[in-house]
Amino acid sequence: QKEVEQNSGPLSVPEGAIASLNCTYSDRGSQSFFWYRQYSGKSPELIMFIYSNGDKEDGRFTAQLNKASQYVSLLIRDSQPSDSATYLCAVNRGGSNYKLTFGKGTLLTVNP
Amino acid sequence: DTGVSQNPRHKITKRGQNVTFRCDPISEHNRLYWYRQTLGQGPEFLTYFQNEAQLEKSRLLSDRFSAERPKGSFSTLEIQRTEQGDSAMYLCASSPPRDSPAYEQYFGPGTRLTVT
Repeated sequence: QKEVEQNSGPLSVPEGAIASLNCTYSDRGSQSFFWYRQYSGKSPELIMFIYSNGDKEDGRFTAQLNKASQYVSLLIRDSQPSDSATYLCAVNRGGSNYKLTFGKGTLLTVNP
Repeated sequence: DTGVSQNPRHKITKRGQNVTFRCDPISEHNRLYWYRQTLGQGPEFLTYFQNEAQLEKSRLLSDRFSAERPKGSFSTLEIQRTEQGDSAMYLCASSPPRDSPAYEQYFGPGTRLTVT
């Protein structure tokens, strides 16, 4: 079982719709969770992080965490063509372990 | 620009040559990380520094790879006797010293290495 799993996509949504990106992780000791956006040929850009169960909202983005189900998601409201990118989910075990473990990413395409 | 910077941005080298990459973290970030990313994959952790101390190394980091952060500021990653399998994007990230359970990391633009 992979440590961090994401549907590779592509996920295609029309402009203005809600895009829902999902991620599961295998290590129950994981403490914090991150969503990065990566445009083709560019480096990952941090969008949000979450470490408590529930929802965390930032503008058009909402991260949702359910530690019991080992599930984290990212919702993008009012999707724009500029949101078209690969979205990477990453987890961290916390404590003295600082490294991030990434999924392979989900390719999102927002159609005008 | 106060973000993480990396140099060079692109490097083409012949198999067997040595290469060195540099990373300058965000000012006052005491933690610095190196990752490697190949096409279609997420970044994979290579090594981590807190100030000048290298605290963790991945088993991906073979004996041909060495990283330093001599004064706790910039870092270098050297690959000796490069192989075609070393072709990848090498990413550097840094995170601030504040006590946060999240340890968010901010990435530089990366160095794309091509070994021919």
